[in-house]
Amino acid sequence: GAVVSQHPSRVICKSGTSVKIECRSLDFQATTMFWYRQFPKQSLMLMATSNEGSKATYEQGVEKDKFLINHASLTLSTLTVTSAHPEDSSFYICSASPPMGGTEAFFGQGTRLTVV
Amino acid sequence: GENVEQHPSTLSVQEGDSAVIKCTYSDSASNYFPWYKQELGKGPQLIIDIRSNVGEKKDQRIAVTLNKTAKHFSLHITETQPEDSAVYFCAASIDSGYSTLTFGKGTMLLVSP
Repeated sequence: GAVVSQHPSRVICKSGTSVKIECRSLDFQATTMFWYRQFPKQSLMLMATSNEGSKATYEQGVEKDKFLINHASLTLSTLTVTSAHPEDSSFYICSASPPMGGTEAFFGQGTRLTVV
Repeated sequence: GENVEQHPSTLSVQEGDSAVIKCTYSDSASNYFPWYKQELGKGPQLIIDIRSNVGEKKDQRIAVTLNKTAKHFSLHITETQPEDSAVYFCAASIDSGYSTLTFGKGTMLLVSP
């Protein structure tokens, strides 16, 4: 299957700082990528849809000013958690679909964010 | 919007037994149903998917069945092995462009040696 790479896999930051997470499609171009958040022992919650060259679409209840998404190229989307707080600690996962693959989605390895 | 229910939430089986996980969906327009396996600390991995134009799909020890009339689909794992232990998620979406996936709550499968 297609490969989606996410970096970093783990990050610890202090409250009030910002953290950037990268999501790359390694062997295909993705005009759309998705960002999810997953709490322990729970399912994936869609946060936003990242569109190359345009603004991201955020799900209801997700603060766009706190979770900044930039999809600057066809292979890279970034999620920046700004002014992080302990409640932002979570597992963040991105996904992307190959252009001719319909809805088939491939996920990154995930990023474990811990805010202290 | 779409709502996906998944059962059971946990499933324990002995190595070699079969495991079945069931999901129901609410939106009759959904026509794409993937299953993902997620190991601890990792992202979900697509293991099998089915589209609504077929009723069953098989890949070695894994099979998925779909009943469009009843709006439910199931994952079947035969001859389970300890390495099958993970959390499994079902999902549903409309197979059109980049329609978003709606996930079930997940099933933790534990295969004991």
